[in-house]
Amino acid sequence: KAGVTQTPRYLIKTRGQQVTLSCSPISGHRSVSWYQQTPGQGLQFLFEYFSETQRNKGNFPGRFSGRQFSNSRSEMNVSTLELGDSALYLCASSLLGTGTYEQYFGPGTRLTVT
Amino acid sequence: AQTVTQSQPEMSVQEAETVTLSCTYDTSESDYYLFWYKQPPSRQMILVIRQEAYKQQNATENRFSVNFQKAAKSFSLKISDSQLGDAAMYFCAYRSAQGAQKLVFGQGTRLTINP
Repeated sequence: KAGVTQTPRYLIKTRGQQVTLSCSPISGHRSVSWYQQTPGQGLQFLFEYFSETQRNKGNFPGRFSGRQFSNSRSEMNVSTLELGDSALYLCASSLLGTGTYEQYFGPGTRLTVT
Repeated sequence: AQTVTQSQPEMSVQEAETVTLSCTYDTSESDYYLFWYKQPPSRQMILVIRQEAYKQQNATENRFSVNFQKAAKSFSLKISDSQLGDAAMYFCAYRSAQGAQKLVFGQGTRLTINP
Protein backbone atom coordinates (compact mmCIF):
# COMPACT_ATOMS: atom_id res chain seq x y z
CA LYS A 1 0.00 0.00 0.00
CA ALA A 2 1.42 3.37 -0.91
CA GLY A 3 2.30 5.69 1.95
CA VAL A 4 1.30 9.28 2.51
CA THR A 5 2.50 11.49 -0.31
CA GLN A 6 3.05 15.21 -0.24
CA THR A 7 3.63 17.53 -3.15
CA PRO A 8 5.69 19.44 -3.84
CA ARG A 9 8.61 18.31 -1.72
CA TYR A 10 10.39 21.65 -1.92
CA LEU A 11 9.07 25.12 -2.58
CA ILE A 12 10.58 28.59 -2.65
CA LYS A 13 8.23 31.55 -2.49
CA THR A 14 8.51 35.30 -2.01
CA ARG A 15 6.97 37.28 0.83
CA GLY A 16 3.41 38.27 0.06
CA GLN A 17 2.75 35.36 -2.27
CA GLN A 18 0.42 32.49 -1.51
CA VAL A 19 1.12 28.77 -1.62
CA THR A 20 -0.88 25.55 -1.79
CA LEU A 21 0.47 22.27 -0.47
CA SER A 22 -1.08 18.91 -1.23
CA CYS A 23 -1.37 15.70 0.76
CA SER A 24 -2.62 12.33 -0.43
CA PRO A 25 -3.37 9.98 2.46
CA ILE A 26 -3.00 6.25 2.50
CA SER A 27 -5.83 4.61 0.61
CA GLY A 28 -8.84 4.20 2.88
CA HIS A 29 -7.67 6.72 5.46
CA ARG A 30 -10.24 9.41 6.21
CA SER A 31 -8.42 11.62 8.69
CA VAL A 32 -5.71 14.04 7.56
CA SER A 33 -3.77 16.29 9.92
CA TRP A 34 -1.25 19.02 9.14
CA TYR A 35 1.72 20.10 11.25
CA GLN A 36 4.31 22.85 10.93
CA GLN A 37 7.87 22.10 12.02
CA THR A 38 10.37 24.90 12.65
CA PRO A 39 13.63 24.97 14.62
CA GLY A 40 12.26 27.59 16.99
CA GLN A 41 8.70 26.43 17.62
CA GLY A 42 9.11 22.71 17.03
CA LEU A 43 6.16 20.68 15.79
CA GLN A 44 2.85 22.48 15.95
CA PHE A 45 -0.59 21.25 14.97
CA LEU A 46 -2.27 23.23 12.22
CA PHE A 47 -5.58 21.48 11.60
CA GLU A 48 -7.28 18.14 11.07
CA TYR A 49 -9.85 17.10 8.51
CA PHE A 50 -12.12 14.11 8.74
CA SER A 51 -14.66 13.28 6.05
CA GLU A 52 -14.23 16.72 4.45
CA THR A 53 -14.90 18.56 7.73
CA GLN A 54 -12.36 20.49 9.76
CA ARG A 55 -12.53 18.99 13.23
CA ASN A 56 -9.82 20.88 15.02
CA LYS A 57 -7.63 23.88 14.37
CA GLY A 58 -4.38 24.93 15.98
CA ASN A 59 -3.37 28.40 17.05
CA PHE A 60 -2.43 29.83 13.66
CA PRO A 61 -3.62 32.99 11.93
CA GLY A 62 -6.38 32.94 9.37
CA ARG A 63 -3.80 33.06 6.59
CA PHE A 64 -3.51 29.33 7.09
CA SER A 65 -6.43 27.38 5.71
CA GLY A 66 -7.14 23.94 4.41
CA ARG A 67 -9.69 21.67 2.90
CA GLN A 68 -10.33 18.02 2.24
CA PHE A 69 -11.86 16.49 -0.83
CA SER A 70 -14.25 13.58 -1.13
CA ASN A 71 -11.35 11.24 -1.92
CA SER A 72 -9.71 12.32 1.39
CA ARG A 73 -6.91 14.21 -0.33
CA SER A 74 -6.18 17.43 1.47
CA GLU A 75 -4.69 20.78 0.63
CA MET A 76 -3.46 23.55 2.84
CA ASN A 77 -3.10 27.12 1.72
CA VAL A 78 -1.02 29.92 3.17
CA SER A 79 -1.79 33.39 1.90
CA THR A 80 0.34 36.53 2.18
CA LEU A 81 3.47 34.58 3.04
CA GLU A 82 5.80 35.86 5.74
CA LEU A 83 9.43 34.96 6.36
CA GLY A 84 8.35 33.14 9.51
CA ASP A 85 6.26 30.72 7.47
CA SER A 86 9.45 29.03 6.29
CA ALA A 87 9.13 25.52 7.69
CA LEU A 88 8.69 21.85 7.03
CA TYR A 89 4.99 21.12 6.64
CA LEU A 90 4.04 17.57 7.55
CA CYS A 91 0.84 15.79 6.73
CA ALA A 92 -0.37 12.70 8.58
CA SER A 93 -3.24 10.36 7.85
CA SER A 94 -5.06 7.78 9.90
CA LEU A 95 -7.75 5.24 9.20
CA LEU A 96 -10.38 6.79 11.41
CA GLY A 97 -10.58 9.91 13.47
CA THR A 98 -10.55 8.46 16.98
CA GLY A 99 -9.04 5.65 18.96
CA THR A 100 -5.48 4.47 18.87
CA TYR A 101 -5.34 4.46 15.12
CA GLU A 102 -1.79 5.22 14.17
CA GLN A 103 -1.01 8.40 12.29
CA TYR A 104 1.23 7.86 9.28
CA PHE A 105 3.31 10.82 8.26
CA GLY A 106 4.33 11.94 4.81
CA PRO A 107 7.85 13.07 3.90
CA GLY A 108 6.90 16.73 4.25
CA THR A 109 7.06 19.83 2.08
CA ARG A 110 9.96 22.17 2.77
CA LEU A 111 8.76 25.74 2.24
CA THR A 112 11.27 28.56 2.05
CA VAL A 113 9.99 32.13 2.00
CA THR A 114 12.45 34.79 0.80
CA ALA B 1 -3.98 22.90 27.41
CA GLN B 2 -1.72 19.90 27.35
CA THR B 3 2.04 20.29 27.27
CA VAL B 4 4.87 17.85 26.66
CA THR B 5 8.41 18.43 27.91
CA GLN B 6 11.59 16.68 26.86
CA SER B 7 14.37 17.95 29.08
CA GLN B 8 17.26 16.37 27.17
CA PRO B 9 18.00 18.25 23.92
CA GLU B 10 20.79 15.80 23.08
CA MET B 11 21.84 12.33 24.18
CA SER B 12 24.57 9.99 23.03
CA VAL B 13 25.17 6.29 23.59
CA GLN B 14 27.67 3.67 22.56
CA GLU B 15 26.52 1.15 20.02
CA ALA B 16 24.99 -1.93 21.70
CA GLU B 17 24.41 -0.04 24.96
CA THR B 18 21.10 1.04 26.48
CA VAL B 19 19.80 4.61 26.59
CA THR B 20 16.73 6.18 28.17
CA LEU B 21 15.03 9.30 26.85
CA SER B 22 12.86 11.29 29.23
CA CYS B 23 9.46 12.85 28.69
CA THR B 24 6.98 14.48 31.05
CA TYR B 25 3.57 15.83 30.20
CA ASP B 26 0.86 17.88 31.77
CA THR B 27 -2.84 17.20 31.36
CA SER B 28 -6.03 17.25 33.34
CA GLU B 29 -7.51 14.44 31.28
CA SER B 30 -7.62 10.85 32.47
CA ASP B 31 -7.88 9.14 29.10
CA TYR B 32 -5.23 9.78 26.48
CA TYR B 33 -2.51 8.23 24.36
CA LEU B 34 1.24 8.74 24.43
CA PHE B 35 3.65 8.15 21.58
CA TRP B 36 7.31 8.20 20.74
CA TYR B 37 8.15 9.19 17.18
CA LYS B 38 11.52 8.97 15.47
CA GLN B 39 12.61 11.47 12.84
CA PRO B 40 15.83 10.48 11.01
CA PRO B 41 17.70 12.91 8.75
CA SER B 42 15.26 12.07 5.95
CA ARG B 43 12.62 13.93 8.05
CA GLN B 44 10.13 11.06 7.75
CA MET B 45 8.32 10.74 11.08
CA ILE B 46 8.09 7.13 12.16
CA LEU B 47 6.03 5.82 15.06
CA VAL B 48 8.26 3.92 17.47
CA ILE B 49 5.86 2.95 20.22
CA ARG B 50 2.51 3.96 21.73
CA GLN B 51 0.89 3.66 25.14
CA GLU B 52 -2.76 3.89 26.10
CA ALA B 53 -3.18 5.68 29.43
CA TYR B 54 -5.74 3.19 30.68
CA LYS B 55 -3.25 0.34 30.35
CA GLN B 56 -1.00 -0.22 33.35
CA GLN B 57 1.34 -2.49 31.45
CA ASN B 58 4.25 -0.72 29.79
CA ALA B 59 4.37 -1.06 26.02
CA THR B 60 7.28 -2.82 24.32
CA GLU B 61 8.26 -3.12 20.68
CA ASN B 62 11.33 -5.27 20.16
CA ARG B 63 14.30 -3.22 21.47
CA PHE B 64 12.07 -0.30 22.47
CA SER B 65 10.15 -0.11 25.71
CA VAL B 66 8.55 2.60 27.79
CA ASN B 67 8.28 3.36 31.47
CA PHE B 68 4.84 4.90 31.89
CA GLN B 69 4.19 6.50 35.27
CA LYS B 70 0.68 7.95 35.07
CA ALA B 71 0.64 9.58 38.49
CA ALA B 72 3.98 11.25 37.86
CA LYS B 73 2.98 12.08 34.26
CA SER B 74 6.18 10.58 33.01
CA PHE B 75 6.74 8.57 29.83
CA SER B 76 10.34 7.58 29.17
CA LEU B 77 11.67 5.55 26.23
CA LYS B 78 14.33 2.89 26.69
CA ILE B 79 16.30 1.72 23.68
CA SER B 80 18.22 -1.49 24.27
CA ASP B 81 21.13 -2.75 22.17
CA SER B 82 21.43 0.62 20.41
CA GLN B 83 22.16 0.43 16.70
CA LEU B 84 23.60 3.01 14.33
CA GLY B 85 20.23 3.20 12.60
CA ASP B 86 18.64 4.44 15.83
CA ALA B 87 20.37 7.80 15.41
CA ALA B 88 17.60 10.38 14.96
CA MET B 89 15.48 13.02 16.64
CA TYR B 90 13.01 11.45 19.02
CA PHE B 91 9.75 13.18 19.82
CA CYS B 92 7.39 12.39 22.64
CA ALA B 93 3.75 13.16 21.79
CA TYR B 94 0.39 13.31 23.54
CA ARG B 95 -3.06 12.86 22.10
CA SER B 96 -6.35 13.17 23.89
CA ALA B 97 -8.72 10.22 23.70
CA GLN B 98 -11.52 12.67 23.01
CA GLY B 99 -12.13 13.90 19.51
CA ALA B 100 -9.61 14.85 16.90
CA GLN B 101 -6.23 13.45 15.94
CA LYS B 102 -4.25 16.33 17.38
CA LEU B 103 -0.76 15.42 18.54
CA VAL B 104 1.04 17.66 21.02
CA PHE B 105 4.78 17.18 20.63
CA GLY B 106 7.73 17.76 22.90
CA GLN B 107 10.77 19.68 21.65
CA GLY B 108 12.64 16.52 20.78
CA THR B 109 15.85 14.77 21.82
CA ARG B 110 18.64 14.29 19.33
CA LEU B 111 20.14 10.83 19.82
CA THR B 112 23.65 10.07 18.59
CA ILE B 113 24.99 6.53 18.43
CA ASN B 114 28.76 6.21 18.82
CA PRO B 115 30.31 3.22 17.03
